[in-house]
Amino acid sequence: NAGVTQTPKFQVLKTGQSMTLQCAQDMNHEYMSWYRQDPGMGLRLIHYSVGAGITDQGEVPNGYNVSRSTTEDFPLRLLSAAPSQTSVYFCASRRTVYDYGYTFGSGTRLTVV
Amino acid sequence: SQQGEEDPQALSIQEGENATMNCSYKTSINNLQWYRQNSGRGLVHLILIRSNEREKHSGRLRVTLDTSKKSSSLLITASRAADTASYFCATDAVYQGGSEKLVFGKGTKLTVNP
Repeated sequence: NAGVTQTPKFQVLKTGQSMTLQCAQDMNHEYMSWYRQDPGMGLRLIHYSVGAGITDQGEVPNGYNVSRSTTEDFPLRLLSAAPSQTSVYFCASRRTVYDYGYTFGSGTRLTVV
Repeated sequence: SQQGEEDPQALSIQEGENATMNCSYKTSINNLQWYRQNSGRGLVHLILIRSNEREKHSGRLRVTLDTSKKSSSLLITASRAADTASYFCATDAVYQGGSEKLVFGKGTKLTVNP
């Protein structure tokens, strides 16, 4: 039982490049979310999904795309990287019912130069 | 915009002392959760309190919730150096239409000095 696995752990991109941050969970959780964490800003929700085939925007969705073709995977795509997207990205998942907390991945530290 | 706001932003105490962190939020919630983040690591879920509960305990952690004041507090008793971390409150808010999003505050940075 690996929990929530994020890859890569570190990435440097040039402005304008695209990439996909991978997130996979093996707990059969329905809910999955992507957050970004910036100094002094806490965690901000980018996109979330309440089940396979269902996604919705969070607080800061611009410049990012997601899809949820399976319960296990929830990749985050950066379409055209910008320096403002330099951040630490966390994927999280939880069971459907309200009374459970989220399990977080260990994060991807992304630098856009 | 942030739903929860933690107070204080930073807290420094001696080992063995109690640490209290507060969280205020803005809208109706299903539950409120507290997370810990050690430096450079992911967040770890500590405790969840439902909107119809007033107090909850887990080991050295005690959480209270006052929905009339839209506030919560996290008390860590007999703190240890290993408790040094950032602590975040997060609200599982109920929005119009029934959609849900976990919304985090900016965190309290706790330092426990040996």
